Amino acid sequence: DTEVTQTPKHLVMGMTNKKSLKCEQHMGHRAMYWYKQKAKKPPELMFVYSYEKLSINESVPSRFSPECPNSSLLNLHLHALQPEDSALYLCASSLRQATLAKNIQYFGAGTRLSVL
Amino acid sequence: AQSVTQPDIHITVSEGASLELRCNYSYGATPYLFWYVQSPGQGLQLLLKYFSGDTLVQGIKGFEAEFKRSQSSFNLRKPSVHWSDAAEYFCAVGGSSNTGKLIFGQGTTLQVKP
Repeated sequence: DTEVTQTPKHLVMGMTNKKSLKCEQHMGHRAMYWYKQKAKKPPELMFVYSYEKLSINESVPSRFSPECPNSSLLNLHLHALQPEDSALYLCASSLRQATLAKNIQYFGAGTRLSVL
Repeated sequence: AQSVTQPDIHITVSEGASLELRCNYSYGATPYLFWYVQSPGQGLQLLLKYFSGDTLVQGIKGFEAEFKRSQSSFNLRKPSVHWSDAAEYFCAVGGSSNTGKLIFGQGTTLQVKP
């Protein structure tokens, strides 16, 4: 089973709202990733968690706040977003983060976010 | 700097015809190379990967890719395209070994004509 599950599939929020995206995997992976993808563009890495600790923050604005409560779960908390933050948010996981660039990343189906 | 180039933004092929999607990379060390496919509104699905060994790798859905170090290329091929292959295709290279970052190309949109 190589499934990464993301909820919700679609989310519409106003600029003053607070919402959260959820990502779950049960493959025993210890690295989890958040990506942002605009239409017709490749995914852009936002955050990497390794063993439940934040490993990489790609200079993402503080209105995006990641959280990794346990090894199977990854959240992305959203607050005071801007319309330009509308995008597909993808979660991925891999067995490990460090040491091996060949760790395969498995992606979820994403959450389509619209900020009004 | 590490980079991936997919020269073709958009390709149209007829159903049943052969397909080749190009990918060129720039990477200082031994590259780890991937092809992902993304159907509209979906996440990325791994088609195949190259780490080492045989330079011709087989993937899912009848796809294969050939690693050519001398040309810094990792082109994706399929002998006979099906209408369901219409999607966005991304080539990626495994970046710095201590970050796990993937460096993606800009993607190629494949359209399949009936």
